[in-house]
Amino acid sequence: DVKVTQSSRYLVKRTGEKVFLECVQDMDHENMFWYRQDPGLGLRLIYFSYDVKMKEKGDIPEGYSVSREKKERFSLILESASTNQTSMYLCASTPRTLAKNIQYFGAGTRLSVL
Amino acid sequence: DQQVKQNSPSLSVQEGRISILNCDYTNSMFDYFLWYKKYPAEGPTFLISISSIKDKNEDGRFTVFLNKSAKHLSLHIVPSQPGDSAVYFCAASLLNFNKFYFGSGTKLNVKP
Repeated sequence: DVKVTQSSRYLVKRTGEKVFLECVQDMDHENMFWYRQDPGLGLRLIYFSYDVKMKEKGDIPEGYSVSREKKERFSLILESASTNQTSMYLCASTPRTLAKNIQYFGAGTRLSVL
Repeated sequence: DQQVKQNSPSLSVQEGRISILNCDYTNSMFDYFLWYKKYPAEGPTFLISISSIKDKNEDGRFTVFLNKSAKHLSLHIVPSQPGDSAVYFCAASLLNFNKFYFGSGTKLNVKP
C-alpha cells in the first residue's frame, strides 16, 4: 500500500511566522504535489515536483515555496504566514509513468493562521 | 478559471437508490478522468477512472460515464449505501502530463 504521510494534522500559527509543512511518501514516486482545499473551490495546485530539486509552479504559488532535497520528501514553506493561508493542505504523489495515473494523498494538514 | 466544474455542492439520496454526481470540463485536450472520494479528516482516495477512448467504465456499484461531445462526465452509484456519504471530487488530466485539475466537490449524503 502506498503511504503518503503529512507530519502534522493540525497547526496553529501566527501571522508573519515561517511555516513548514512536511510530506513523505514511501513508494519511490517521482512526482509530488501540494494542494490546498477550500470550500467551494476544491483542490487547487500550489506547486509540484517531478524530480529531486525540481519544482514547478501550480495555479496558486504566491506566498509559498517548496523544497525537494530527497525523492521521498516534499516540503511546503509559507515564508510569512497570512490569515488568507488558513486552509486544508494536501500532499499527493504519483509515479512517473504513462500508464494510468492515480494520485495518492496524505491525510491533510489543517492550518490556521491567526 | 476552473477547467473542471462540479455545479452541485451537495446531493441527498435515500439508501438503496441511485446517486448521480455530475462534472463538466472545458479543455477538450483532457484524456483521462478520475473520481476521488473524501471522508472528513482524511485525504481523497481514488475511486474510479476513465480514459477518453471509452464512454463507460464500471467497477462494482460505481460506474463512470463520459460524454466527450458535451464535455461531461458522471458517476453513478447503485445502490447507494450510508457509507458512501462523503465528498466526491472529479479530476481531469492529460495522460502524458502529471498535472491534475480538480472540481470543487459534491457532498453526498445517503440517508438510511
